[in-house]
Amino acid sequence: SQTIHQWPATLVQPVGSPLSLECTVEGTSNPNLYWYRQAAGRGLQLLFYSVGIGQISSEVPQNLSASRPQDRQFILSSKKLLLSDSGFYLCAWRGGGAGDTQYFGPGTRLTVL
Amino acid sequence: AQSVTQPDIHITVSEGASLELRCNYSYGATPYLFWYVQSPGQGLQLLLKYFSGDTLVQGIKGFEAEFKRSQSSFNLRKPSVHWSDAAEYFCAVGTRFSGGYNKLIFGAGTRLAVHP
Repeated sequence: SQTIHQWPATLVQPVGSPLSLECTVEGTSNPNLYWYRQAAGRGLQLLFYSVGIGQISSEVPQNLSASRPQDRQFILSSKKLLLSDSGFYLCAWRGGGAGDTQYFGPGTRLTVL
Repeated sequence: AQSVTQPDIHITVSEGASLELRCNYSYGATPYLFWYVQSPGQGLQLLLKYFSGDTLVQGIKGFEAEFKRSQSSFNLRKPSVHWSDAAEYFCAVGTRFSGGYNKLIFGAGTRLAVHP
C-alpha cells in the first residue's frame, strides 16, 4: 500500500534562516505531488505541484521554492524565512489516473520567530 | 476563477443530532468534488468524492453528500453525529485537466463541535 511521509513534524526557525521540508511517497511510481500551506484558522493554499521529476508549477509567487530530485521525493525550501511563512505545511500525492484521489501526509508545523 | 465557499465557519451540534455542512462552488464545467476531514494537528483524510454518475455519494464514517448541479452545491450530511466527528471539514473542487483533474481548490473549512 502507499504511504506518504513528511519531516520534520515540527520546526521552529528564526526569521532569515533557511528552510528545507521533505516529503516522500512509498508504494507508487510517477505520482503527482503537491505542497499546501494552511495558515492558522484558514483553508489550504496550494503552493506548488509537480507531475514529474524536475517539473514544478508554482501557484503563488512568494518566498518559497520546490524541487523534485527523485520520482517520489518533493522538497520545499526557502533561502530566508519570513514571519509570514509560519503555518502547517501539507504534502499530498495522487496517481496519474483521471479518477485518482489526492492523499495527504501528516504535515509539518513551522513556526518562524 | 474557480472558488469554493463554505458559508459556516463554526457549527455546534449535540451528539446524536443530524448534521449538514454546506459547500458551494464556482466552476465552469462539472467539477470533481471532495470532502476531507482534519483532526487537530493532523493531515487530511478523504471522506468521499464525486466524479460522475449517481449524485448521492456515500463515504466513510456514515457520511454522505449530494451533488446538485442546479445549485452548484455539494453538501455533506450525517444522520446522527458522534462525539468523535468533532473536527474541521473541507470541501474541495478538482479542476479538470486533460480528462482528469490536477489541482484542488479548497474552501475555508467548517469547524464542527459536538456537545455530549
